[in-house]
Amino acid sequence: AQKVTQAQTEISVVEKEDVTLDCVYETRDTTYYLFWYKQPPSGELVFLIRRNSFDEQNEISGRYSWNFQKSTSSFNFTITASQVVDSAVYFCALKLTGGGNKLTFGTGTQLKVEL
Amino acid sequence: GAVVSQHPSRVICKSGTSVKIECRSLDFQATTMFWYRQFPKQSLMLMATSNEGSKATYEQGVEKDKFLINHASLTLSTLTVTSAHPEDSSFYICSALRTGLSGYTFGSGTRLTVV
Repeated sequence: AQKVTQAQTEISVVEKEDVTLDCVYETRDTTYYLFWYKQPPSGELVFLIRRNSFDEQNEISGRYSWNFQKSTSSFNFTITASQVVDSAVYFCALKLTGGGNKLTFGTGTQLKVEL
Repeated sequence: GAVVSQHPSRVICKSGTSVKIECRSLDFQATTMFWYRQFPKQSLMLMATSNEGSKATYEQGVEKDKFLINHASLTLSTLTVTSAHPEDSSFYICSALRTGLSGYTFGSGTRLTVV
């Protein structure tokens, strides 16, 4: 069975600090997709990125970057120069290609960015 | 594009009554929708997968007679919490599967409080 672990329950940083959110996944499948979502206090999940298992290139989008390491089954998310608006719960999720399109979510990391 | 509208956003009901939550895909057709439940400071737990025109597939431990799911059209899925009790109080989120990079579009969630 697949599993997603986000060991960091809560992280607090001061604005402009860089912060990395960890995500470790478990699956026996060789083909899968990994996602990151942001859940602000309003509750809606905001899509951030999707990565398939064959693409290990790191990605940068503005202040966001992702480091996919298949060897360690990790898909970490870094926010550079954090801002108060980044405060939210961030979820990492895994989808197997043959898993009926189900998403398995990690437990989430609450990020608090303070002035 | 790719908007999912979920209503109501908040509902308070009396114990023993039923509550219906709607999830609509506004600008695309969704043959598959998912219903999640989220307790405070916890992850999203998949309750069921809803396929248009067929019976929903429930996850283990979810009472299908209590959480009625109907997916009668390609743009609408409903979740009815029957004979609600205080322990059913939670945040319910739907998502719709679509083609494209993001794959899933989430509704804004419904906070159900049973008193």
